[in-house]
Amino acid sequence: GIQVEQSPPDLILQEGANSTLRCNFSDSVNNLQWFHQNPWGQLINLFYIPSGTKQNGRLSATTVATERYSLLYISSSQTTDSGVYFCAGASGNTPLVFGKGTRLSVIA
Amino acid sequence: GAGVSQSPSNKVTEKGKDVELRCDPISGHTALYWYRQRLGQGLEFLIYFQGNSAPDKSGLPSDRFSAERTGESVSTLTIQRTQQEDSAVYLCASRGLVSTDTQYFGPGTRLTVL
Repeated sequence: GIQVEQSPPDLILQEGANSTLRCNFSDSVNNLQWFHQNPWGQLINLFYIPSGTKQNGRLSATTVATERYSLLYISSSQTTDSGVYFCAGASGNTPLVFGKGTRLSVIA
Repeated sequence: GAGVSQSPSNKVTEKGKDVELRCDPISGHTALYWYRQRLGQGLEFLIYFQGNSAPDKSGLPSDRFSAERTGESVSTLTIQRTQQEDSAVYLCASRGLVSTDTQYFGPGTRLTVL
């Protein structure tokens, strides 16, 4: 099955800094999503992005499907951005396969 | 409803007891997934329901785990003879008809087996 690798595993940022999170896939996917799991455990959809670029406020994501990777950009980070960021992918009708996540801590 | 709901939010049980976890998907969503998340880990797929098709049970870790769903409504995940290694957060997600639609997650049930 598909393998999903995320990097870095941990990231500590000063408030206001920018960051890039990466997700690599072992095989092509036609469903790719980024999630944020807040400190209370709730998984929140950030982007559905099997290809191309999307932006939502201070967050944006780019997927290069031909090279099987996706990037999540966080600009002007805030303490509320802390938590774990997961990417997940699937091919066809198969369930999403999740990476192990990037644990982000934003300090004031 | 407005989102995916799960109950209970927390469950503490003794080793060897059976537990039942419930998921209410978003109304109209045909697909429903169960995942398990151990402390500090990513999500492990358990089982997937799509409409009236036979469920994909390929992720269930043992025969102590089973799940049911009636039509496109509520699903229950049952764990029999719980073990300490079953302690985890159990997350449910639902999505619309198209396989590439976004999955929406519930808040999870935190299961602790003593």
